[in-house]
Amino acid sequence: DIKLTQSPSTLSASIGDRVTITCRASQSIGTTLAWYHQKPGKAPNLLIYEASTLETRVPSRFSGSGSGTHFTLTITSLQPDDFATFYCQHHDDHSGITFGPGTRVETK
Amino acid sequence: EVLVESGGGAVQPGRSLRLSCTTSGFVFDDYAVSWFRQAPGKGLEWLGSIRSPTYGATTQYAASVKGRFTISRDDSKGIGYLQMNSLKTEDTAVYYCSRDIDYSTYPSNPWGQGTLVTVSS
Repeated sequence: DIKLTQSPSTLSASIGDRVTITCRASQSIGTTLAWYHQKPGKAPNLLIYEASTLETRVPSRFSGSGSGTHFTLTITSLQPDDFATFYCQHHDDHSGITFGPGTRVETK
Repeated sequence: EVLVESGGGAVQPGRSLRLSCTTSGFVFDDYAVSWFRQAPGKGLEWLGSIRSPTYGATTQYAASVKGRFTISRDDSKGIGYLQMNSLKTEDTAVYYCSRDIDYSTYPSNPWGQGTLVTVSS
């Protein structure tokens, strides 16, 4: 089974900061990787799919890159609504859906 | 495109519970449905999925719940179900459903708002 790891687990940042989160897969997954963010008490919200495609109505300050086993999510200028937990996710028609453990972005 | 989970609540260990995922705003039988959960303070866990009728409504489960949880769907009503049997305290979580596209690189989206299940004696 494919395992996803994320780093860092917690990130302290300020409004306006450029933030980068990394997701690594235990084996190559091509570009079948999505990023979600989740605020406390709310459902996850899709930001990016296929590693780099921005979901409709998601602000352009979010971007994704990578392929194979190494992926990154970048926020170019952190906004107040971005303080949340970010998850990477891979889905596979044979083995199902896997999430990374999450990266919590908190106020510095 | 809306999904709404219901059926959560407090239940004793060993009992059963059935959650519903009521949908609107899209053609339900064109899509798969997935179920997830999130234990308090923890990350997201996929539980299983059911494909659309086009693909035989076949099901797939995470190893952690296979044999205890069953996913089904009623396409005439636009509702997906998660039947949970022999519940354990560690099944305490917020349970979410999502809409999925069969055999697509597009991920689970959208999600419902979640329903809380508390397993406790």
